[in-house]
Amino acid sequence: DIQLTQSPSTLSASVGDRVTITCRASQSINSWLAWYQQKPGKAPSLLIYQASNLDGGVPSRFSGSGSGTEFTLTISSLQPDDLATYYCQQYHSYPGTFGQGTKVEIK
Amino acid sequence: QVHLVESGGGVVQPGTSLRLSCAASGFTFSHSPMHWVRQAPGKGLEWVAVISPDGNSGTYGDSAKGRFTISRDNSMNIVYLQMNSLRPEDTAVYYCARERGSSGRAGYFDYWGQGSLVTVSS
Repeated sequence: DIQLTQSPSTLSASVGDRVTITCRASQSINSWLAWYQQKPGKAPSLLIYQASNLDGGVPSRFSGSGSGTEFTLTISSLQPDDLATYYCQQYHSYPGTFGQGTKVEIK
Repeated sequence: QVHLVESGGGVVQPGTSLRLSCAASGFTFSHSPMHWVRQAPGKGLEWVAVISPDGNSGTYGDSAKGRFTISRDNSMNIVYLQMNSLRPEDTAVYYCARERGSSGRAGYFDYWGQGSLVTVSS
């Protein structure tokens, strides 16, 4: 199975800060990576697919980059509504594994 | 708009069975692979199973192999997860999720249900 390692596990930042989350794969997954946001008590929602494509309706402050084994999710200007846990997921091959999550807290 | 609504969760004893259902609406159900993803309390997301659009093929994660069966009824727009020989470590919120497109890859999920809690405890 392909392992995904996210860092950091938790981050605390102020409103307006630029925030970056990293996801590393145990082998190359080309660009077959998605990012999800999960707000407390809610189901996950899709943010980004194929590493860098913003899903419809997702604010433009979110962006994704990377290919191969290293990927990043960036929030250009953190907003209070971004309080959530963020997960990467590879869909290069079964099983479609997830990273362990990055919890974003607002200072 | 797309809606996915899970049902069938509850509290069960170890070794027993439970069947989850996920009712879909707002899209052409028979065109979409459908998945189950679970989340243990306070933990991350774990992919469980996927079923092909025609229902002829299912693929399972290691934790589900040999115990869980995914199926679907395209006439009723429902996907099921039959869970047998349940263990305490199966305690989780179970989400059904729609795979966008049908890429031939493991798939990513553009719509999720609200989840159904399964608690396995004696």
